[in-house]
Amino acid sequence: DTGVSQNPRHKITKRGQNVTFRCDPISEHNRLYWYRQTLGQGPEFLTYFQNEAQLEKSRLLSDRFSAERPKGSFSTLEIQRTEQGDSAMYLCASSLGGLAGKQFFGPGTRLTVL
Amino acid sequence: QQQVKQSPQSLIVQKGGISIINCAYENTAFDYFPWYQQFPGKGPALLIAIRPDVSEKKEGRFTISFNKSAKQFSLHIMDSQPGDSATYFCAASGSSNTGKLIFGQGTTLQVKP
Repeated sequence: DTGVSQNPRHKITKRGQNVTFRCDPISEHNRLYWYRQTLGQGPEFLTYFQNEAQLEKSRLLSDRFSAERPKGSFSTLEIQRTEQGDSAMYLCASSLGGLAGKQFFGPGTRLTVL
Repeated sequence: QQQVKQSPQSLIVQKGGISIINCAYENTAFDYFPWYQQFPGKGPALLIAIRPDVSEKKEGRFTISFNKSAKQFSLHIMDSQPGDSATYFCAASGSSNTGKLIFGQGTTLQVKP
């Protein structure tokens, strides 16, 4: 069990640029979540995949954000035309099973938009 | 109705003391209540969790107390150690939805040696 991995760990970009983050969940986990965490706050839900299907998106996920999980394995989160307000830690979590259960988080990707 | 409210915002405890963090929720559909520990620059790590069919769960020095009628739950850290210094988040989710976690605002714990 190698845990949830995320890449890159840090990303600095200029306003208006596009960025893409990758999450590799624990291999047998069919559920994958993206959260966003700003300084001094708890993580906030962004979107959820069960296998390859994106089943829920938060209203926080504007049309500049898109997430995919091809083949139900790794997932990517893309932010287009980044804004300074997008600066945050982007966390990925995975879990197994049909009921609300243990979610295991990755180390996160820290995004800084200049 | 989706909120989880956590208190206190920060907590300072002497080594060997008991740390207590409280959370309250509104949505009665929530049926899973985990606590996460987060160190600076790291992702949250699951510490302990409880479902509403029990009133207390203990794992080592960590205990969750759950009061379903009051819609409150708390984390007790016994014999607190300097290594416990971190930010703690309570959360809640419901099996009737996607399992997404609704987090509290966090409590920064400092354990003084």
